[in-house]
Amino acid sequence: ETGVTQTPRHLVMGMTNKKSLKCEQHLGHNAMYWYKQSAKKPLELMFVYNFKEQTENNSVPSRFSPECPNSSHLFLHLHTLQPEDSALYLCASSQTYPYEQYFGPGTRLTVT
Amino acid sequence: AQKVTQAQTEISVVEKEDVTLDCVYETRDTTYYLFWYKQPPSGELVFLIRRNSFDEQNEISGRYSWNFQKSTSSFNFTITASQVVDSAVYFCALSDQNTGNQFYFGTGTSLTVIP
Repeated sequence: ETGVTQTPRHLVMGMTNKKSLKCEQHLGHNAMYWYKQSAKKPLELMFVYNFKEQTENNSVPSRFSPECPNSSHLFLHLHTLQPEDSALYLCASSQTYPYEQYFGPGTRLTVT
Repeated sequence: AQKVTQAQTEISVVEKEDVTLDCVYETRDTTYYLFWYKQPPSGELVFLIRRNSFDEQNEISGRYSWNFQKSTSSFNFTITASQVVDSAVYFCALSDQNTGNQFYFGTGTSLTVIP
């Protein structure tokens, strides 16, 4: 595997389910990110991890819970989601500032 | 405050035409970085270029070129002789010393190249 991988690519879940999104980077980077991309809306940064430490949490509801066990892996745990949480969730990684971020293919999430 | 504006929401061109995508940014820092990304229908954002605030030279990479002008706070992207494979959403982004790893993305420009 190369670059940034995300699983699953598609996910349909009910509002009472619990699921997790996984991201793995094979680039040796030390920062990882979760973004949300909704239709007709700008990219929204959700969480930033630097060297496994969370450095940003942009007022994300608690039903989204990130986990970064090491610099190569990032998870987004989901529970009790709302239909408006349906979106494309993108993971990215980078060296620390000022370097470019590399993105995974995303997980298309649908909450029913 | 940091901000990136991509005023063009959607652009359509006929194949082989040239097209310029505009990006205007705001930052109070004197040291900052600008980026362009391409998002094809598959969804993955693909990194195209990074430019720092001290380097105002224009850059060319094949059919792609970028025009950075600090005087107008713009970092425009031109595709020469467009092709159908260029159809995608293009994002401009900014990071600076104040925000560090956090990128500020524009809202994107959707480009459609008609064969």
